[in-house]
Amino acid sequence: AQTVTQSQPEMSVQEAETVTLSCTYDTSESDYYLFWYKQPPSRQMILVIRQEAYKQQNATENRFSVNFQKAAKSFSLKISDSQLGDAAMYFCAYRTPPYNTDKLIFGTGTRLQVFP
Amino acid sequence: DSGVTQTPKHLITATGQRVTLRCSPRSGDLSVYWYQQSLDQGLQFLIQYYNGEERAKGNILERFSAQQFPDLHSELNLSSLELGDSALYFCASTPTGGADTQYFGPGTRLTVL
Repeated sequence: AQTVTQSQPEMSVQEAETVTLSCTYDTSESDYYLFWYKQPPSRQMILVIRQEAYKQQNATENRFSVNFQKAAKSFSLKISDSQLGDAAMYFCAYRTPPYNTDKLIFGTGTRLQVFP
Repeated sequence: DSGVTQTPKHLITATGQRVTLRCSPRSGDLSVYWYQQSLDQGLQFLIQYYNGEERAKGNILERFSAQQFPDLHSELNLSSLELGDSALYFCASTPTGGADTQYFGPGTRLTVL
């Protein structure tokens, strides 16, 4: 069964600095999707970034980028120029292939604190 | 704003009761997913509907059921509620349920006393 592991329950960063959140996953599939979702205190789940496993190029969305290492089954999120509004829970998620079920499997989350 | 709406925002009820949570997907989205977020179980997939039909089931209890109506809104019914059912329930939607990104609603916080 597929699993997603986030080994850092909490992380902290100074405003304007860079922080990297770790995520590893386990799967026997070759085609899948990976996501990072942000959950601020409002509890809304907000998509941060998405990566297709067949793409070698790492996804980037403004200050957010990923380091996708398919062989190592690693999918880390880098936040550059951290802002106070980045403080939230961050969840890594794996999406099963379309020919199976479409559910998202989530990690346990990393709470990111941003200090001024 | 993801375009997915959920009502009510908060629900407080007693053990043994039954509640219905409602979700309206983004305009044009055919697929709806339900997730439960609790302190001890984290975020778990419950069930998926696609264009009115059940497509996938996760760790959904027999006391829970869902359906998707012709206008594509979905309802999650929770019955014989227990204290452990207290959680945040999310609905998400996608256009086709394939490789699309899931966009989440704001959630319904259920408290069972």
